[in-house]
Amino acid sequence: DQQVKQNSPSLSVQEGRISILNCDYTNSMFDYFLWYKKYPAEGPTFLISISSIKDKNEDGRFTVFLNKSAKHLSLHIVPSQPGDSAVYFCAASSSGNTPLVFGKGTRLSVIA
Amino acid sequence: GAVVSQHPSRVICKSGTSVKIECRSLDFQATTMFWYRQFPKKSLMLMATSNEGSKATYEQGVEKDKFLINHASLTLSTLTVTSAHPEDSSFYICSAPSLTEDYTFGSGTRLTVV
Repeated sequence: DQQVKQNSPSLSVQEGRISILNCDYTNSMFDYFLWYKKYPAEGPTFLISISSIKDKNEDGRFTVFLNKSAKHLSLHIVPSQPGDSAVYFCAASSSGNTPLVFGKGTRLSVIA
Repeated sequence: GAVVSQHPSRVICKSGTSVKIECRSLDFQATTMFWYRQFPKKSLMLMATSNEGSKATYEQGVEKDKFLINHASLTLSTLTVTSAHPEDSSFYICSAPSLTEDYTFGSGTRLTVV
């Protein structure tokens, strides 16, 4: 039973355009959501997070939107750059020092 | 920012031997560390939660006697894969929540059992 779902295994976007990566969750106890970027054989790199009291958080080219009623969040990258090509993981946790639950990841390819 | 140092980054071992993976929090104290495993093209799956000074909590389906976790100090947690088999070959990553960073991750260990 997957609590965090990333239904698109891959996404291809042209350089300069917007990349939108989607994530759905089922556990209503989740109140903190994160996005990580990962290269093969490396640990995940934190990108951006959002708590359930917000519906939007922005950091430079990265914006995360949270729709609690739909249990859906998305990561927007604009403008997309070739260096953004990687696998992006959505993760969620509930309050306290609880472990993260990860989605299966979406491989983003930004084409020059 | 908070840094978790994980060693080794890559290890090849023979079947039947044991391998120890270390995770150190370099500039903060980690009372809790999480150990994940990633299969090829799969998500990161939580294996266990290690707690400083007490026994680790294992997820369902993870063999406690095979994956020994020790968290003897506030800055060091170790995962020992005992009597390794080829099916234990995987990518193992540790993570520690810190006060200032969001779930800092180690750089991962690629284990290959031959």
